[in-house]
Amino acid sequence: AQSVTQPDIHITVSEGASLELRCNYSYGATPYLFWYVQSPGQGLQLLLKYFSGDTLVQGIKGFEAEFKRSQSSFNLRKPSVHWSDAAEYFCAVVRGYNFNKFYFGSGTKLNVKP
Amino acid sequence: NAGVTQTPKFRILKIGQSMTLQCTQDMNHNYMYWYRQDPGMGLKLIYYSVGAGITDKGEVPNGYNVSRSTTEDFPLRLELAAPSQTSVYFCASRNPDRSPLGTDTQYFGPGTRLTVL
Repeated sequence: AQSVTQPDIHITVSEGASLELRCNYSYGATPYLFWYVQSPGQGLQLLLKYFSGDTLVQGIKGFEAEFKRSQSSFNLRKPSVHWSDAAEYFCAVVRGYNFNKFYFGSGTKLNVKP
Repeated sequence: NAGVTQTPKFRILKIGQSMTLQCTQDMNHNYMYWYRQDPGMGLKLIYYSVGAGITDKGEVPNGYNVSRSTTEDFPLRLELAAPSQTSVYFCASRNPDRSPLGTDTQYFGPGTRLTVL
């Protein structure tokens, strides 16, 4: 069963515009949720994570994400995109009774127009 | 601190050959992971380990084997390479901390690009 869905494969935004990348998860219990960024030819870097508490979490590079249990969503946002934000973004959920196994979405590739 | 290192960076195998992908971390993390990333796809978990001597299967373990004799090393073995194993392989380590302000994160290596012809 698909645990994490990122419905947008590619997104193009203009530099300075706002950004929202969508992520939906399917997991009965409270999930641990993550957003990672991957630049070309690189490994993944953690942007932010949600375990519990405040549903709006702040991350690095000016990104934030909001956990909405009612919508099973954990969308990533940034108010003003920079050209250096062009990369691929992955949402992930931790599952397994010991919360050891990570399940990644298929990714959203972000292009930034000058 | 080198973090997570992987060798080799690139490798071409013939069908039926075997090889070991090396992964080493110097952060004393108990948890280590192997993923594969196919073009245009997210990462799929192959195997993981929660400590020396303890390993478990992920989503796509078939065709692979792992061992964890030390905290630092987590090699991935391909016994009979098949074209379906052409992928980029990432190793990661993690020191889980589930508190809201905790630093639970995975640290990824640079990847090994494997082609099986």
